[in-house]
Amino acid sequence: KQEVTQIPAALSVPEGENLVLNCSFTDSAIYNLQWFRQDPGKGLTSLLLIQSSQREQTSGRLNASLDKSSGRSTLYIAASQPGDSATYLCAANRDDKIIFGKGTRLHILP
Amino acid sequence: DAGVIQSPRHEVTEMGQEVTLRCKPISGHDYLFWYRQTMMRGLELLIYFNNNVPIDDSGMPEDRFSAKMPNASFSTLKIQPSEPRDSAVYFCASSLSGGGANEQFFGPGTRLTVL
Repeated sequence: KQEVTQIPAALSVPEGENLVLNCSFTDSAIYNLQWFRQDPGKGLTSLLLIQSSQREQTSGRLNASLDKSSGRSTLYIAASQPGDSATYLCAANRDDKIIFGKGTRLHILP
Repeated sequence: DAGVIQSPRHEVTEMGQEVTLRCKPISGHDYLFWYRQTMMRGLELLIYFNNNVPIDDSGMPEDRFSAKMPNASFSTLKIQPSEPRDSAVYFCASSLSGGGANEQFFGPGTRLTVL
């Protein structure tokens, strides 16, 4: 059974810093790994999707990497801004079913 | 496209009442998913449909929960009778196709409170 873990559960960093969010999964037979952002009281917004054959994806200040062999993915945020404050969830997709981690609650200090 | 639409956005009901949550997926998407989010358990997949047909309902917690998709543009999740432990945010999502190739797009969610 796939389990997805995100550490830390919460993180506070000063504005302008680069940061890395971690995600690990137990079953490496995934189709893709997806990172989402969730603002308080809102739905999920897809940030990046990495197919199983890919190693990384980039969008603006965000870069996500995938290492299937070790069951790990990271989300790198460059030059963090207060607007980046949100909860970030990773999700492993196999057989049309997505298993979510519980997220990392990120707070960027102005 | 307006994205995935869910209604109502908030629902407060009393224990024992029937609750119906509604979802309109993105036009042209073949897959529809229902999730539940709680602080304790995070986001859990309840059931998903492909071309209006339920494919996997193993995440539905008990027989009190049922879901239907009568056509490609509408789905319901019903809880009857509702209990306080059903209080959660329920999300609907849709994707263009399955096999993990396409990302899922989420609706804004329905916050359900059962008193």
